[in-house]
Amino acid sequence: NAGVTQTPKFQVLKTGQSMTLQCAQDMNHEYMSWYRQDPGMGLRLIHYSVGAGITDQGEVPNGYNVSRSTTEDFPLRLLSAAPSQTSVYFCASSYGKTGNTIYFGEGSWLTVV
Amino acid sequence: GQQVMQIPQYQHVQEGEDFTTYCNSSTTLSNIQWYKQRPGGHPVFLIQLVKSGEVKKQKRLTFQFGEAKKNSSLHITATQTTDVGTYFCAGTQGGSEKLVFGKGTKLTVNP
Repeated sequence: NAGVTQTPKFQVLKTGQSMTLQCAQDMNHEYMSWYRQDPGMGLRLIHYSVGAGITDQGEVPNGYNVSRSTTEDFPLRLLSAAPSQTSVYFCASSYGKTGNTIYFGEGSWLTVV
Repeated sequence: GQQVMQIPQYQHVQEGEDFTTYCNSSTTLSNIQWYKQRPGGHPVFLIQLVKSGEVKKQKRLTFQFGEAKKNSSLHITATQTTDVGTYFCAGTQGGSEKLVFGKGTKLTVNP
């Protein structure tokens, strides 16, 4: 089972560049989300989606865009990368509303120089 | 907004000792989940608690949800080196779609 697949696993960006982190799940989950993890800060919700065509902001949405054109895919776009966006990014999905088990991807390590 | 506080931030134990991490919310939670993240890995779901006062066990792990549904704990009996990692609690407030994570407790076990 593929589960939640994130790409790329590692990326180095220059300040001001844009990029997209890809996330795909093959479990037909309605709920998908993006978190960033920084040392000592735990996991902070960036954006989430409760279904295709529906997205909403989490705790730290600034500098990021998302879209949900299909149930399977939930890409995260960095519009103009900043060093403060250096982090580990996790995509996650679950069936139905939160309160169900969340499955995480393996993470994307992003460095902005 | 909803906040979930988790203590301690770090815990170092000798193998065989017990370990407990605590999670406290500023608001009543609909449910609470616990995750484990191994070094370099991704969070993996352990359990979900929904009912007030609920207690669940998984082998050496005991999870509790407070009567007021504002706090929770994870207790590991007789730790082993395989227990090493960071343990996160995460909760949702009634009606919210957002799952808010605590900052985690990093457990190290000395063999």
